[in-house]
Amino acid sequence: DAGVIQSPRHEVTEMGQEVTLRCKPISGHNSLFWYRQTMMRGLELLIYFNNNVPIDDSGMPEDRFSAKMPNASFSTLKIQPSEPRDSAVYFCASSEGLAGHTQYFGPGTRLTVL
Amino acid sequence: TQLLEQSPQFLSIQEGENLTVYCNSSSVFSSLQWYRQEPGEGPVLLVTVVTGGEVKKLKRLTFQFGDARKDSSLHITAAQPGDTGLYLCAGRGPSGNTDKLIFGTGTRLQVFP
Repeated sequence: DAGVIQSPRHEVTEMGQEVTLRCKPISGHNSLFWYRQTMMRGLELLIYFNNNVPIDDSGMPEDRFSAKMPNASFSTLKIQPSEPRDSAVYFCASSEGLAGHTQYFGPGTRLTVL
Repeated sequence: TQLLEQSPQFLSIQEGENLTVYCNSSSVFSSLQWYRQEPGEGPVLLVTVVTGGEVKKLKRLTFQFGDARKDSSLHITAAQPGDTGLYLCAGRGPSGNTDKLIFGTGTRLQVFP
């Protein structure tokens, strides 16, 4: 069975450019989470959805970040404009539901903003 | 400030040695999980502990949840090179919200043959 799929796996862009990260959750999973991982701050939750509806976006660092989930099999995380401090590994995870359900992580997208 | 502090931050040991990783907080969690993450991959769940004082074993790995549900430990017996990776603890429910996972600062383990 396919796990969580993320694309691209690596992205290098220049400051000021728009970046779009994509995620396909595990089929049948109703909840989707976006995380960011850096050496300094560790793994941080940015936003999560349940049944395609954003539940909590309090972890989104600023207005340059936005996330959408137009349907149950696709989500995007967009950064516009990107800045060098956005460089990190971004993970998407999905689960069957919220409280108590195991989250399955994708392989991540390594973003470098020059 | 990090809600979940892990120690040590880095650990380099020889194959066959034993080790313990700690995950501490001043907050109470409804449950606590341990993950292992390998380079280029996402974290993978190892175990979930729910009850204060609970002990779970997974082959050579022993996990314990503190009596007050504020801390946890991971003990590895006779470490092997395949145990190398980043170990993360993660808690649910410090503020009554059990939807979110709060991740610890991480312990990077290197086991040399």
